[in-house]
Amino acid sequence: GAGVSQSPRYKVAKRGQDVALRCDPISGHVSLFWYQQALGQGPEFLTYFQNEAQLDKSGLPSDRFFAERPEGSVSTLKIQRTQQEDSAVYLCASPGGRLAGRTGELFFGEGSRLTVL
Amino acid sequence: ELKVEQNPLFLSMQEGKNYTIYCNYSTTSDRLYWYRQDPGKSLESLFVLLSNGAVKQEGRLMASLDTKARLSTLHITAAVHDLSATYFCAVDYPGGGADGLTFGKGTHLIIQP
Repeated sequence: GAGVSQSPRYKVAKRGQDVALRCDPISGHVSLFWYQQALGQGPEFLTYFQNEAQLDKSGLPSDRFFAERPEGSVSTLKIQRTQQEDSAVYLCASPGGRLAGRTGELFFGEGSRLTVL
Repeated sequence: ELKVEQNPLFLSMQEGKNYTIYCNYSTTSDRLYWYRQDPGKSLESLFVLLSNGAVKQEGRLMASLDTKARLSTLHITAAVHDLSATYFCAVDYPGGGADGLTFGKGTHLIIQP
């Protein structure tokens, strides 16, 4: 696709439920990032993929968070046993260029807004 | 750990006025980005600054980078209501890897007629 596409746009979950958020990045782009943006805050890095390889997951806040990109295109961020503090917008981004490795300008999707009750 | 600080965090100004938003960061980096975010929307890339002394302008917005001072500014000239948004600066992680961008908390800008 022409841009980064995310779904669902909005998700309401009861505490303890599992959720899965999907990102379809810019077509052909090697790199993919996930960010978490809490209300009134800036985005915070969660994890990074280069093709299907998850090269950095240092930003994942707990072992309840899991991300995958099995075929090097679409990525899924899964949150198990959701807690209220997981409520945030989850943003997916692709770099502007096709070079793998060092980041440049990032293009963001619309985000998935998760509300945990 | 790279820290990015913006100030002010909130700004209310009148149309026609000039103002500057500041972005300080804590470690050496030669890449800095400015983004705009409207309520409920994603982030829109405004400027990419890639070297010391870089200056970019688009309409009423001008961004500059001083890597020695670890400071970037976003200057607004003769503000108009349409510029009301949240503005984020972000710094590229300096370690040479691919850890992504580190964002400031954002400056919530309201421009009143």
